Amino acid sequence: EDQVTQSPEALRLQEGESSSLNCSYTVSGLRGLFWYRQDPGKGPEFLFTLYSAGEEKEKERLKATLTKKESFLHITAPKPEDSATYLCAVLPWGSGTYKYIFGTGTRLKVLA
Amino acid sequence: DAGVTQSPTHLIKTRGQQVTLRCSPKSGHDTVSWYQQALGQGPQFIFQYYEEEERQRGNFPDRFSGHQFPNYSSELNVNALLLGDSALYLCASSLGASGLYEQYFGPGTRLTVT
Repeated sequence: EDQVTQSPEALRLQEGESSSLNCSYTVSGLRGLFWYRQDPGKGPEFLFTLYSAGEEKEKERLKATLTKKESFLHITAPKPEDSATYLCAVLPWGSGTYKYIFGTGTRLKVLA
Repeated sequence: DAGVTQSPTHLIKTRGQQVTLRCSPKSGHDTVSWYQQALGQGPQFIFQYYEEEERQRGNFPDRFSGHQFPNYSSELNVNALLLGDSALYLCASSLGASGLYEQYFGPGTRLTVT
């Protein structure tokens, strides 16, 4: 069964303290992996798409990487405004497969 | 450029009632997906519409149904509401037949069933 697991469930960082969030996945084949940011009571906001192992994407303080079994979201020198839940989703290969599978997210709190 | 919009923002219904939620996709997008997100959980895929057809469905009962209109907007209908249907319902739009491109989400509709 296709599955996505995110860790840790929650993370508290001091402002400027860099860290990484993990997304491990088990799928028959990966069409794409997506990272989203979600603020409380709002819809997820798209961050990155990764398609193949070795690929990396960057945006401001965030950098996403992908291997054959997992993806990391690296946060460099975070600020309080980076506090949010970060969601990972995968789109598996398969005939007629348009079903995005989300993890439960990592709740990040950055303290000033 | 308007993003994905959803209505209503909040809704309170009684067990056994029926509800209709609405979604307008981001300009230029032709594919709409619906998700249910319980508190503290990730979004769960309900179904996806493309060219006015449901092309994939998640593990949700037939009480959940939908529709896509020629202008690509969409509705989600839930019949015989249960307490467990209380959640944030998210609409996401994307572009293309492949279904591979990133999805853009609306703000959601918070449904409370009492």
